[in-house]
Amino acid sequence: SQKIEQNSEALNIQEGKTATLTCNYTNYSPAYLQWYRQDPGRGPVFLLLIRENEKEKRKERLKVTFDTTLKQSLFHITASQPADSATYLCALDIYYKLSFGAGTTVTVRA
Amino acid sequence: NAGVTQTPKFQVLKTGQSMTLQCAQDMNHNSMYWYRQDPGMGLRLIYYSASEGTTDKGEVPNGYNVSRLNKREFSLRLESAAPSQTSVYFCASSAGTSGGGTQYFGPGTRLLVL
Repeated sequence: SQKIEQNSEALNIQEGKTATLTCNYTNYSPAYLQWYRQDPGRGPVFLLLIRENEKEKRKERLKVTFDTTLKQSLFHITASQPADSATYLCALDIYYKLSFGAGTTVTVRA
Repeated sequence: NAGVTQTPKFQVLKTGQSMTLQCAQDMNHNSMYWYRQDPGMGLRLIYYSASEGTTDKGEVPNGYNVSRLNKREFSLRLESAAPSQTSVYFCASSAGTSGGGTQYFGPGTRLLVL
């Protein structure tokens, strides 16, 4: 079965710095990979989707890369703000089912 | 637009009791999903429904049943609750039935089984 690993430890960064999160997977590569944000006590919210033939995708201060050779996706939050503090989940999109990683918790200090 | 709604928000059950978690979406989506989320394990798919009238097992279906009542509603039933089913349950929906589907999640139901 597909195994998905995200940064095992929480990430604590200073406001204004760039946070970089990793998502590694085993076995077959998905056609799509998605990133979600989850705040405490709430459901995940979609952020970005990247296709297997796309190397990079951007949305405002967010950037995602997808390397199917390394079987890895990187998620960057640039110019981070305290409001970016949350847990970020990567999800492999295989047909219409998503397999989620356990998430990485990011805390941005003012 | 309410998006995806779930009821109840919180429930306490005793071992062996049954209950149904309700989910509804108002986005005219074809696919609906039930997940459970446990600390350190991420979201795990319990059951999904690619379209009205169809349901399929996900990664962890044992102990659960589902009903796709109509296009809007997808319920999850625990026939005989066990402490191992203590978790947070999320319902989600997506527009398509093929890959690349963004999923929209409800606020979750927190279930405690004693």
